[in-house]
Amino acid sequence: AQKVTQAQTEISVVEKEDVTLDCVYETRDTTYYLFWYKQPPSGELVFLIRRNSFDEQNEISGRYSWNFQKSTSSFNFTITASQVVDSAVYFCALSESNFGNEKLTFGTGTRLTIIP
Amino acid sequence: KAGVTQTPRYLIKTRGQQVTLSCSPISGHRSVSWYQQTPGQGLQFLFEYFSETQRNKGNFPGRFSGRQFSNSRSEMNVSTLELGDSALYLCASSHRAGGPSWVGETQYFGPGTRLLVL
Repeated sequence: AQKVTQAQTEISVVEKEDVTLDCVYETRDTTYYLFWYKQPPSGELVFLIRRNSFDEQNEISGRYSWNFQKSTSSFNFTITASQVVDSAVYFCALSESNFGNEKLTFGTGTRLTIIP
Repeated sequence: KAGVTQTPRYLIKTRGQQVTLSCSPISGHRSVSWYQQTPGQGLQFLFEYFSETQRNKGNFPGRFSGRQFSNSRSEMNVSTLELGDSALYLCASSHRAGGPSWVGETQYFGPGTRLLVL
């Protein structure tokens, strides 16, 4: 069975500091997809990034960057120069590729608080 | 494009009642999935619908059911509500233009329905 572990339950950093959110996954499949979502207090899950198992290139989008390493089954997320608006719960999720089997398995989330 | 919409946003029910939640996917999206979020269990997959057919189901009792209409809009129903059903119910849609064999596409979530069972 697939599993996603986010060991960091809560993180607090002072504004403008860099912060990395860890994500470790388990899957038997060779084709899979990884996601990060942000959940602000309003409750809606906001999509941040999607990565398939064949693409190990790191990605940068503004202050956000992602480090995907298949060798350690990790897909970590770094926010550079954090801002108060980054305060939210962040979820890492895994989708396996089975015909017709579309579901996301989520980690337990990391609550990030940016202190002004 | 408008995002995923869910109605109602908030709901209060009592034990034993039933409830129906509605979800309208992003225009053109053919797949709708439902998730339950609780403080204790986190985010858990309920079921997924594609072309009016349930494609996948999570580990929930039969009291939880759903359906999808020809316009891709979906409803989920919970019968005989229990206190433990209090949760945020999230709906997500994905394109799946290639059909049910296309997996791993991004799921876009709605704002959720907060259900409180008293």
